[in-house]
Amino acid sequence: NAGVTQTPKFRVLKTGQSMTLLCAQDMNHEYMYWYRQDPGMGLRLIHYSVGEGTTAKGEVPDGYNVSRLKKQNFLLGLESAAPSQTSVYFCASSYSLGGQTQYFGPGTRLLVL
Amino acid sequence: QQQVKQSPQSLIVQKGGISIINCAYENTAFDYFPWYQQFPGKGPALLIAIRPDVSEKKEGRFTISFNKSAKQFSLHIMDSQPGDSATYFCAAPETSGSRLTFGEGTQLTVNP
Repeated sequence: NAGVTQTPKFRVLKTGQSMTLLCAQDMNHEYMYWYRQDPGMGLRLIHYSVGEGTTAKGEVPDGYNVSRLKKQNFLLGLESAAPSQTSVYFCASSYSLGGQTQYFGPGTRLLVL
Repeated sequence: QQQVKQSPQSLIVQKGGISIINCAYENTAFDYFPWYQQFPGKGPALLIAIRPDVSEKKEGRFTISFNKSAKQFSLHIMDSQPGDSATYFCAAPETSGSRLTFGEGTQLTVNP
C-alpha cells in the first residue's frame, strides 16, 4: 500500500495564479483532511471530508476550495494564490472522524511570490 | 472550537535523559488524545494515543500521562535517544469528536 500520496511535492506560484493540490489514499478511508503547517503554529485544518461528495470547513478555510469526487481522492484548490498561502500542506486520512489515527501524506511545499 | 496549548516550543535533552512535553486543552472531549511525531521533510505519524478515561498509557519508552480534571496531558520519553530528535505534536478532539485540534509543536533535540 502506498498510503497517502500528495502531488506535487513542491511548487512556486506567482501571486494571483491558481493551482490544485492532489491527495490520494489507498486505505479505503472515509475521512480525509487538508492541513497547513507554518512555523510555530502547528497544523491547522483547512477543510475536511466525511465521505465521497461531502466537504466541510475547518479552522482556516478562506482562500481555499476542495472537492471529493472520488472516495480515494481529495483535491485542494487555490483560485488566486497570495503570499500568505506560502506554507507546507499536508493531506491526511482516517477510518473514523477525528479518531486516534490520522495517516498523513509527505506534504507539498508551496511558495507564493 | 477546541483550543490546545503545547509547551515547551523547543527542548534539548542529553542522551539517556527524560524528555517531557506538556499540553493543555480547553473543552471536554471523549475521543482519543494522540501524540504525533514528525521528522524533517516528512508528514506527522501517530506515536501514541490515550483514551480520556485512562490516566496513563505506556508504549516502550513513550508514556502519556492524562489529567482529566486539569485538562492536561503530557508525553514522557524515557532514555531519550538521538533518533528521537523530531517535532512532536499533541492533539485534542472536538467535544463532538468531529476533528482534531493540534498543538503548536515541540522541537526535541537529543544530544549524543
